[in-house]
Amino acid sequence: DTEVTQTPKHLVMGMTNKKSLKCEQHMGHRAMYWYKQKAKKPPELMFVYSYEKLSINESVPSRFSPECPNSSLLNLHLHALQPEDSALYLCASSPREPSFGGYNEQFFGPGTRLTVL
Amino acid sequence: AQSVTQLDSQVPVFEEAPVELRCNYSSSVSVYLFWYVQYPNQGLQLLLKYLSGSTLVKGINGFEAEFNKSQTSFHLRKPSVHISDTAEYFCAVSDRKKGGGATNKLIFGTGTLLAVQP
Repeated sequence: DTEVTQTPKHLVMGMTNKKSLKCEQHMGHRAMYWYKQKAKKPPELMFVYSYEKLSINESVPSRFSPECPNSSLLNLHLHALQPEDSALYLCASSPREPSFGGYNEQFFGPGTRLTVL
Repeated sequence: AQSVTQLDSQVPVFEEAPVELRCNYSSSVSVYLFWYVQYPNQGLQLLLKYLSGSTLVKGINGFEAEFNKSQTSFHLRKPSVHISDTAEYFCAVSDRKKGGGATNKLIFGTGTLLAVQP
C-alpha cells in the first residue's frame, strides 16, 4: 500500500461548526504533514508530526488543531473557521523526520476541499 | 531562506510539441530539487528529483530536468506533450538547516499551468 488517503473529499461547514479532517497511511512512515493550498497557489506547510509528536507548527491559528493518535493517522480538527480558510487541505507522509539528513520523499494524499460559509 | 521562482504562470502548447517549464532557485549551495505535478482536483505527485550526481534527471511520463548549478536553474522538459499532461507543475527545493545541509521541508514555487491544446 503506497498511498495516503484523506477523508472527506469535500467538506462544507459554517463558521460555528466543529469538524475534523482525517489522513491515513500504511507505509510505515514516521513523519506526517498538513498543507493548505489556496486556488492557483502552491501548498503551504502548516504542521509536521514526527514519531507522533508535533515537530513543526508554522504559526497556524489555534482554530486549526492537529492530532496524531498513532503512527498511521493524522487528524486536523477545525473550529470557528473563517471564510478565508476555504482551501484544499493536503496531507503528506515521509519515511523519516524532516530535518533528518538525506533524501526523504513526501507522498501526498488527494486532499480535502474545504468550504467555509 | 530558500526561494523558488517559476516565471511562467501558464504555458500553452499544442499536442506533440516540445515544452520547457522554467524554474530558478535562490541558493547555489547544495540542495535537493523536485518537480511535482498536480492534476485537477488531485494531490501532488512527484515527477522527478535531483539529489546529486548526473545533472540530467529523468522522471515519469517522459519528463526530464537539467540541474544547472551556475545558473541556479532546474528546468523541466518534455520532447512531445499529450493532452493528458495538462496540469499544474510545481518546482520545489529543500530548505536548508542553519548549520548547512538540506532538510526535507519543501519550498514550492508558485506553479506553472501547462495547457496542452489539440
